[in-house]
This record gives sequence, structure tokens and C-alpha cells, in this order.
Amino acid sequence: GAVVSQHPSWVICKSGTSVKIECRSLDFQATTMFWYRQFPKQSLMLMATSNEGSKATYEQGVEKDKFLINHASLTLSTLTVTSAHPEDSSFYICSASSVAEAFFGQGTRLTVV
Amino acid sequence: KQEVTQIPAALSVPEGENLVLNCSFTDSAIYNLQWFRQDPGKGLTSLLLIQSSQREQTSGRLNASLDKSSGRSTLYIAASQPGDSATYLCAGYGSSNTGKLIFGQGTTLQVKP
Repeated sequence: GAVVSQHPSWVICKSGTSVKIECRSLDFQATTMFWYRQFPKQSLMLMATSNEGSKATYEQGVEKDKFLINHASLTLSTLTVTSAHPEDSSFYICSASSVAEAFFGQGTRLTVV
Repeated sequence: KQEVTQIPAALSVPEGENLVLNCSFTDSAIYNLQWFRQDPGKGLTSLLLIQSSQREQTSGRLNASLDKSSGRSTLYIAASQPGDSATYLCAGYGSSNTGKLIFGQGTTLQVKP
């Protein structure tokens, strides 16, 4: 199957700082990528749809000014958590679709202290 | 709005037992359905993808079925092993197959040796 690489796999940051997470599709071009968030013992919830060359589409309740998404090329989408707070600590995971299947990155464990 | 539900939330079985995990969805216009495995603190491992025109898929000891008319999918695990212990997630693709997935809450499986 196709490969989606996510970096970093884990990050610890201080409250008030910003963190950037990268999602790359390594062997196919993805005009659309997706960002999900998973809190402990909960399922994955879609945060936003990242569209290459245009603005991201955010799900209801997700702050677009806090979670900045940039999809500047067909193989890279980035999620920046701005002014992170402890409640932003979570597991963030991206996906990209090829043909009729979604492929997921390895996920990023964010801890804000 | 598509909703995906998984029953049971948790399951504990002795090694060697055959078991069935259930997934139900509210919108029969679902496109594809995919089953994933997630180990604690890790990302997603795709197990089986059932495409829109298919009714089931098999891989090794795993068999997944999809019945759109009844809004159900099942994941059958034969001869369970302790290494099968994990959380199993089902996810439905929307009718337009944008690659966006709606996840169930997951079933956490423990296989006891």
C-alpha cells in the first residue's frame, strides 16, 4: 500500500509555544489530506480537511486560528498547533487518500507542559 | 450525518476462541468500510478494506463483511491469539468517497493465554 510519513512521532513543548507536525505522502500525490485527533481512550475525530493550494476545511468546533493547516504541495501538509496549552495534549494523525483507500501516518503524540 | 457505532466496547476471550466484532452505521450510502487495528500508544494498522461493490474481504484469520442494507459490518477473528490483543476500529467512507473517514469508538480486545 501507499506510504504516509508523519513527523515528529512525539513532541513535548511548553505551554504557549507552537508546534508544527508534518505529513508527507511518499509515493503518491495527494490533493486532499485529513487531520484527526485522538484523546486517551477515545476514537479518532476528524479535525480538518487539508486541500492542496487552498484553505483547509475545519470541522465544527475546531478553531482554525489555533490549528493552522498548510498544504503547499501535493505531497506535504502541515498542522501547526499555535499557543499550545495542556488541553491540546493529544495524539494527532494524518491521512491521505490514493484511489479508493485512505493511508495513515504513524501519528504524533503531543504533550504540552 | 453518518455515525458509526461499535459493540462491544471491550471484549476478553481465552486464546483459541473465534470471535466477532460488530460495527453499525446510520447511513446506508456509505462508500467503503475499513477495519483498523491500534496498539496502545501507536498509530493505525489497516486490516481490511471492503470497497463499495464488495460484501466481504479476507486476510489470514480475519474476515470482514459489509451489509449496507442493514447498516452493519462484522470483523471475524478465527483462532484468536494473545498477539491479537489491541483496539479494533471500523471506519466508514462517506458516499462521495473523499477519503474522509468516520470512526467508531473501537472495541478493545484482550486475548488471554
